[in-house]
Amino acid sequence: NAGVTQTPKFQVLKTGQSMTLQCAQDMNHEYMSWYRQDPGMGLRLIHYSVGAGITDQGEVPNGYNVSRSTTEDFPLRLLSAAPSQTSVYFCASSDSVYQPQHFGDGTRLSIL
Amino acid sequence: KQEVTQIPAALSVPEGENLVLNCSFTDSAIYNLQWFRQDPGKGLTSLLLIQSSQREQTSGRLNASLDKSSGRSTLYIAASQPGDSATYLCAVPAQGGSEKLVFGKGMKLTVNP
Repeated sequence: NAGVTQTPKFQVLKTGQSMTLQCAQDMNHEYMSWYRQDPGMGLRLIHYSVGAGITDQGEVPNGYNVSRSTTEDFPLRLLSAAPSQTSVYFCASSDSVYQPQHFGDGTRLSIL
Repeated sequence: KQEVTQIPAALSVPEGENLVLNCSFTDSAIYNLQWFRQDPGKGLTSLLLIQSSQREQTSGRLNASLDKSSGRSTLYIAASQPGDSATYLCAVPAQGGSEKLVFGKGMKLTVNP
C-alpha cells in the first residue's frame, strides 16, 4: 500500500519554465489537495479537489493550475515558474473532511 | 478568517518529561481538529483527529483534547523520548466542515537523551 506518492522529489527550474508536479494515491480517496510549505509561513493550501472533475482554489492559487481526471491522480502545474514559487510542495488525500489526511513526502522545488 | 496559533515555536526538554503542546484557533465553529507530526525532510503524519463532538482522543502515549468554546486544543505527550523529536502541527477546517484546512506554523520539539 503506497499511500500518497509524489514525483519528483527534487527539481530545479529556471524562471519562466513550466512543469508538472505529480501526485497519485491508491486509497480511493475522493478528497485531494496541494499545499506549499515555506519557512515562517507554515502550510498554505493551493488547490483542492473533492472528486474527479471538481477542483477549487485554496489560499494561494495564483500561478498554479490543477485538474482531476481520475480519482487517483491530482497533478499541479506551474505555468511560468517564478523564484517566489521556490518551496516544498505537499499533496494530501482523505476519505472526507471527517477523516485524517494522508500526506506525500513532498517535492522540493527551487527556481533560479 | 480562521487563524491557528501554536506557542511556543520550539521546545527542548530532557527525556522522560510529560509535555503539553498548545494550539488555539479563532473560529470555534469547526467539525474537527487534527494533530500532525512532521519529521525533517518528510511529509506530515496524522497523529490524532478529534471530532467536534469529542473532548479527547488517545493513541498510546499521546492524548489530545479539544475545547471548542475557548478555541483551544492541547496535545499531551507522556514520558517523552528522543524519538518524539519532530515538528508538531495542528490544523482545523477553514470554517465548519470545510475541506480547506488551516494549519498552525508548528512547534519544533527536541527531546534530549
